[in-house]
Amino acid sequence: DAMVIQNPRYQVTQFGKPVTLSCSQTLNHNVMYWYQQKSSQAPKLLFHYYDKDFNNEADTPDNFQSRRPNTSFCFLDIRSPGLGDAAMYLCATSRDLASGSTDTQYFGPGTRLTVL
Amino acid sequence: DQQVKQNSPSLSVQEGRISILNCDYTNSMFDYFLWYKKYPAEGPTFLISISSIKDKNEDGRFTVFLNKSAKHLSLHIVPSQPGDSAVYFCAASRGYGGSQGNLIFGKGTKLSVKP
Repeated sequence: DAMVIQNPRYQVTQFGKPVTLSCSQTLNHNVMYWYQQKSSQAPKLLFHYYDKDFNNEADTPDNFQSRRPNTSFCFLDIRSPGLGDAAMYLCATSRDLASGSTDTQYFGPGTRLTVL
Repeated sequence: DQQVKQNSPSLSVQEGRISILNCDYTNSMFDYFLWYKKYPAEGPTFLISISSIKDKNEDGRFTVFLNKSAKHLSLHIVPSQPGDSAVYFCAASRGYGGSQGNLIFGKGTKLSVKP
């Protein structure tokens, strides 16, 4: 089945220790997104890739970076995690439409990050 | 400032009855609205959507209503089933699927359908 996969599902890191979260997709979608969702809050978009073009949301902290080495993979790097970065991180993908807009977003199961 | 609001954090409904989940938005530029359903330990799953040129969209047991003048949309589930128990997120965008402004989510409403 075509899907969006996130690894690991649970990640524990120490305060200030860099951590990388992984997302892969078999849908061959050209747009990939990273969302942060804190407890009882709405998922919040951090950034997205349109093919290789990186689009950062204005209020995404510099502590958060992303890499997309190819169509299938996208990584979220947190350079120096703080206690406030503990959250669920959701990856999503969508495809281009001929109109120039994008189709429905498909989400992975998320990675829950704990910062000690 | 929340642009998409789901004011009811939870809703409990008896099996077979109607579930109505509500969502309000503040940005008049939004022109596409979606509902996502989320089970524990899974990512959100697309459920149903509506364009601002429509006021109703139906898919099986699920119907979404849009009232643009009130900046309000609602999701109706009839009849409700225990398997519908999940968190429902309302989302909005300025462009089909969120290409221009990307998706703005509400905080979600947890629906419990009791047998």
